[in-house]
Amino acid sequence: GAGVSQSPSNKVTEKGKDVELRCDPISGHTALYWYRQSLGQGLEFLIYFQGNSAPDKSGLPSDRFSAERTGGSVSTLTIQRTQQEDSAVYLCASSLGSLGAGYGYTFGSGTRLTVV
Amino acid sequence: DAKTTQPNSMESNEEEPVHLPCNHSTISGTDYIHWYRQLPSQGPEYVIHGLTSNVNNRMASLAIAEDRKSSTLILHRATLRDAAVYYCILISGSARQLTFGSGTQLTVLP
Repeated sequence: GAGVSQSPSNKVTEKGKDVELRCDPISGHTALYWYRQSLGQGLEFLIYFQGNSAPDKSGLPSDRFSAERTGGSVSTLTIQRTQQEDSAVYLCASSLGSLGAGYGYTFGSGTRLTVV
Repeated sequence: DAKTTQPNSMESNEEEPVHLPCNHSTISGTDYIHWYRQLPSQGPEYVIHGLTSNVNNRMASLAIAEDRKSSTLILHRATLRDAAVYYCILISGSARQLTFGSGTQLTVLP
């Protein structure tokens, strides 16, 4: 597609439920990133996929968070047993190559997750 | 990653040029200079990036000082839609993530 697509755009869930957030990167982009942004806060890095390499999971805040990227394209971020502190906007971004090689990100519009 | 310094806020009149400065005195030779902006209630948006030479694209121009210790993002004709927080970020060769500082809040006055 023309841009990075995320779904759903909004999700309200009850505390303790599992949620899945989806990201469709730009076709051909080898790098995919997940970030989250809490209200009035900066971006918090979660996870990074680059091609077929093992993902960099160093930003995942707890073992309730996991992500996968199937076929080098679509990615799903799963949060198990959601807590109220998980409420945030979850942003996905993709790029043609690695940041260090000079490639810029394209961000999706995000999924606003509210845990009640 | 090396640190950048930006003014907290700037104002511009609509349809006038805007020059957003960024200081990065500790930049290393292989660091790229990236600019992103974030409009209210939206995800960040890539604006432009460069290494040594000045860069132009449809959104903006990036002027990089000869010693690379500073750069300036230039919006040639500000519109109300350009009101956003603008982030100047240095990306090293080993970077695996973007780290956003506090940025510059640009207000465009009609």
